[in-house]
Amino acid sequence: EPEVTQTPSHQVTQMGQEVILRCVPISNHLYFYWYRQILGQKVEFLVSFYNNEISEKSEIFDDQFSVERPDGSNFTLKIRSTKLEDSAMYFCASSEASPNRFGTQYFGPGTRLLVL
Amino acid sequence: QKEVEQNSGPLSVPEGAIASLNCTYSDRGSQSFFWYRQYSGKSPELIMFIYSNGDKEDGRFTAQLNKASQYVSLLIRDSQPSDSATYLCAVNGDYGGSQGNLIFGKGTKLSVKP
Repeated sequence: EPEVTQTPSHQVTQMGQEVILRCVPISNHLYFYWYRQILGQKVEFLVSFYNNEISEKSEIFDDQFSVERPDGSNFTLKIRSTKLEDSAMYFCASSEASPNRFGTQYFGPGTRLLVL
Repeated sequence: QKEVEQNSGPLSVPEGAIASLNCTYSDRGSQSFFWYRQYSGKSPELIMFIYSNGDKEDGRFTAQLNKASQYVSLLIRDSQPSDSATYLCAVNGDYGGSQGNLIFGKGTKLSVKP
């Protein structure tokens, strides 16, 4: 069964460093998302991406964050200068259908980011 | 600020019993409702989705939606110890665009005792 994959599974970085989290969405899906979950808290939406551009973003997704689809399969989240509060589990998700047509989102296994 | 509320639990039920999980949402315009299961340290796994008022059944799971009351629930029949997890209710959100992104509740932790 097709699934979303993410690398790395764990990332430890120093505050102020740049990190890139990678995702391979399900191959026939057209809509891509990043969410994060701080330990013990709810899953929070960061950004959605369609047709090579950002569709929507939350207030969390500030200028430190960027997303890219560098080729036909990968979808990346970059955090330019990490802060301690960026420590969280980051989930990539993808969906086949348009959100306006009730597209169902499937989540990858996540990348646990720890900023020291 | 759109909100999704869930009782955090823990909800403890004996093996074989029915587990009932509840969720309310604040945005009357929400159209899509999802239940995800999340084991500790893992990612959300889709259990069910429901778009129309009423009940939707899939195996041991039944989702119920009442848009007038802004309420959605998940029933798990014949609960098994392997059902022990946190159940996340998610509702389509609106960040000024396509209303497809998900707003999650904090989740209800379910414990099924053998």
